[in-house]
Amino acid sequence: NAGVTQTPKFQVLKTGQSMTLQCAQDMNHNSMYWYRQDPGMGLRLIYYSASEGTTDKGEVPNGYNVSRLNKREFSLRLESAAPSQTSVYFCASSEAWGKPETQYFGPGTRLLVL
Amino acid sequence: RKEVEQDPGPFNVPEGATVAFNCTYSNSASQSFFWYRQDCRKEPKLLMSVYSSGNEDGRFTAQLNRASQYISLLIRDSKLSDSATYLCVVNPTSGTYKYIFGTGTRLKVLA
Repeated sequence: NAGVTQTPKFQVLKTGQSMTLQCAQDMNHNSMYWYRQDPGMGLRLIYYSASEGTTDKGEVPNGYNVSRLNKREFSLRLESAAPSQTSVYFCASSEAWGKPETQYFGPGTRLLVL
Repeated sequence: RKEVEQDPGPFNVPEGATVAFNCTYSNSASQSFFWYRQDCRKEPKLLMSVYSSGNEDGRFTAQLNRASQYISLLIRDSKLSDSATYLCVVNPTSGTYKYIFGTGTRLKVLA
């Protein structure tokens, strides 16, 4: 079991460029999440997918879009990157929505927007 | 006032020491509480849930004080490998996705 995998591990973008962060889980979890972590701030939820076929906004969704491609995969897209989106992005999954005790995180993607 | 507050530390303690961290939360109706551990440049990992009756797992003990609105994590007989950042997580509203992460308390265990 790989758990939760994310690609890429690192990325440097110029302002205005677009990119997609990929996330996959092999634990047959129903729910998936995207968080960002910034210095001096706790992890903040960007978007989540409670189950396959559904997505909803979290705390900080502006500037992002998501796609729940299938039960395993949940991608995060930055359409026009801004320096304020420089952050570490974590994907996570859990057995079901609202069960953080079953939540596992991926290794993270470090994004720098110049 | 922040919804979840933690002392950022660092807490520098010698091996074998006992150390405790607190985490305060602002919403008295909060339902669920957790401690996560995050190693430098790594992902957070669930350490333990915090129940009303307290929770103990080996050297780690978590407690909830609803009256004063804080949770605590006690680590006994600290090991070098305990060095990490400890994140407090609170679910202010039962049945929602909304989990509030604290900024973490950094622990350094010194040889």
